[in-house]
Amino acid sequence: AQSVTQPDIHITVSEGASLELRCNYSYGATPYLFWYVQSPGQGLQLLLKYFSGDTLVQGIKGFEAEFKRSQSSFNLRKPSVHWSDAAEYFCASLSPGGSYIPTFGRGTSLIVHP
Amino acid sequence: DAGVTQSPTHLIKTRGQQVTLRCSPKSGHDTVSWYQQALGQGPQFIFQYYEEEERQRGNFPDRFSGHQFPNYSSELNVNALLLGDSALYLCASSFDSNEQFFGPGTRLTVL
Repeated sequence: AQSVTQPDIHITVSEGASLELRCNYSYGATPYLFWYVQSPGQGLQLLLKYFSGDTLVQGIKGFEAEFKRSQSSFNLRKPSVHWSDAAEYFCASLSPGGSYIPTFGRGTSLIVHP
Repeated sequence: DAGVTQSPTHLIKTRGQQVTLRCSPKSGHDTVSWYQQALGQGPQFIFQYYEEEERQRGNFPDRFSGHQFPNYSSELNVNALLLGDSALYLCASSFDSNEQFFGPGTRLTVL
């Protein structure tokens, strides 16, 4: 069965600092990978996705993620964090050609200090 | 495009009651999935509807049931509510089944 691990429950950064949120997946082949953001009490908004091709994926709001097959990772990065980036971030994977149901990680809560 | 909409926004029920949550998918989408998100957790898949039939189901009891209408909108019904059913219920719609668009959710509180 697929699983997605987000090892950091909370991450605290200062506004303007760089950010990296970790995500590891377990799946035999290359899955489809997603990063979502959730503001308090809101639904999930898709930041970016990886299906195939270029392993560096650009998303909305200045986020990017890099797929590394050798490390089974899909880490989310942003060079300069804004206070409005404070939210919950979820990584998800989906097996191509199999179930159409993504498996979500437990999430990482981003706290931004002024 | 209104995106995925859900109603109601918030709901308070007591144990043993029944609840119905509603979802309208994004325009052009034909597949609706429902998720339960407990506080501090990621979304857990409940079931997915396609062509008015339940296509897949997660590890949830039969108290959780659903329906999809010809216009692709969907309902989630939960019977015999338990305190543990308190959560944010998310609806997501998709067309090609690879990317899901989420609604804002319904916050259910069971007292």
